[in-house]
Amino acid sequence: DSGVTQTPKHLITATGQRVTLRCSPRSGDLSVYWYQQSLDQGLQFLIQYYNGEERAKGNILERFSAQQFPDLHSELNLSSLELGDSALYFCASSLAAGYEETQYFGPGTRLLVL
Amino acid sequence: QKEVEQDPGPLSVPEGAIVSLNCTYSNSAFQYFMWYRQYSRKGPELLMYTYSSGNKEDGRFTAQVDKSSKYISLFIRDSQPSDSATYLCAIFTNKLIFGTGTLLAVQP
Repeated sequence: DSGVTQTPKHLITATGQRVTLRCSPRSGDLSVYWYQQSLDQGLQFLIQYYNGEERAKGNILERFSAQQFPDLHSELNLSSLELGDSALYFCASSLAAGYEETQYFGPGTRLLVL
Repeated sequence: QKEVEQDPGPLSVPEGAIVSLNCTYSNSAFQYFMWYRQYSRKGPELLMYTYSSGNKEDGRFTAQVDKSSKYISLFIRDSQPSDSATYLCAIFTNKLIFGTGTLLAVQP
């Protein structure tokens, strides 16, 4: 168990809908990362927050947004969902934000868009 | 050209075999290389981390970076059924860039 929790574990929704994925980092970790894992694209970095501020951005669609709250938990909002958004979404956390920081991954949220 | 390319596998070996997992990368400026292991229905976990060139050993695992050929490898000695997982190479720039993963099955 990495200490990172994600809810919900599974989510089934319809195209056009909006969902929110939640992540609680390990105790003491200030940095949160979101990743998308799909069969065709592999594991792709979406966005990183450090202590409430956006730190780095990857291949995140404009329909997706994230935030990190004062208690350091983070939410990833996915809107106007398309079939292609079906994937595993992982949250990871690390103590700080540099290259030397080990990222600890949560168990993921499996999203199915029908 | 993708920044990181990984042999897709899958790879099936008998217990006790030496396993070699490989990736290539495109940018010679990359300095930080990682290997993650992902069990089925779990999140990835960091196995090994290497800076620049050379080898790093941790128990049965050895990570190797050859910067001249832009090649990174993970060797697993005396492989065990519990090593059966997907192995992902990754490069850190200001973000982690992952290879597509190699599915390894170690047969008892």
